[in-house]
Amino acid sequence: NAGVTQTPKFQVLKTGQSMTLQCAQDMNHEYMSWYRQDPGMGLRLIHYSVGAGITDQGEVPNGYNVSRSTTEDFPLRLLSAAPSQTSVYFCASSYSWVASGGRELFFGEGSRLTVL
Amino acid sequence: AQTVTQSQPEMSVQEAETVTLSCTYDTSENNYYLFWYKQPPSRQMILVIRQEAYKQQNATENRFSVNFQKAAKSFSLKISDSQLGDTAMYFCAFLQTGANNLFFGTGTRLTVIP
Repeated sequence: NAGVTQTPKFQVLKTGQSMTLQCAQDMNHEYMSWYRQDPGMGLRLIHYSVGAGITDQGEVPNGYNVSRSTTEDFPLRLLSAAPSQTSVYFCASSYSWVASGGRELFFGEGSRLTVL
Repeated sequence: AQTVTQSQPEMSVQEAETVTLSCTYDTSENNYYLFWYKQPPSRQMILVIRQEAYKQQNATENRFSVNFQKAAKSFSLKISDSQLGDTAMYFCAFLQTGANNLFFGTGTRLTVIP
């Protein structure tokens, strides 16, 4: 199994540009989420989804859009990139995140985004 | 939002020795879960250990064990017989029962010295 796959692994953007970070999982997981990791701040939840067609905001959703048209994919969109969005982004998925009490959360390898 | 505090930004330990990483959290909830995640230089987050708040018994996973003090809201990680492969960032995390948001601390960078 490939697990959780994120692309691209590195990206440099200019302020105002748009881009999409892709996340795909092949484990038939209901729950998918996006976190950002900043120095000295740990990981913070951006958006999450509990199934196809269902998304919700996390702790830091401003500036990001998500959609979940299939069980496998959960792309994160930056519509107009800002330097404050320079970060490492992680996608994570779980079969039954809430019901299992966080028993297993599978992370991707991260995507480093720099906004100039 | 819940807060998770890791007061040790960096720590080091000699190979084969024991080290303890500290974590405190703030919550008014009675039912929750606590975690320690490891992030090696490869960047991928790996679950080390998980504790259910309603269980008094401390969780253990091989060389990793926790000291869970619910009243003190403390959740420390003990690594015994440290190995070079333990070198990584370690994050403490909190999950309220029934919630989706996993709250992370700021991390402790652990270096195992040969």
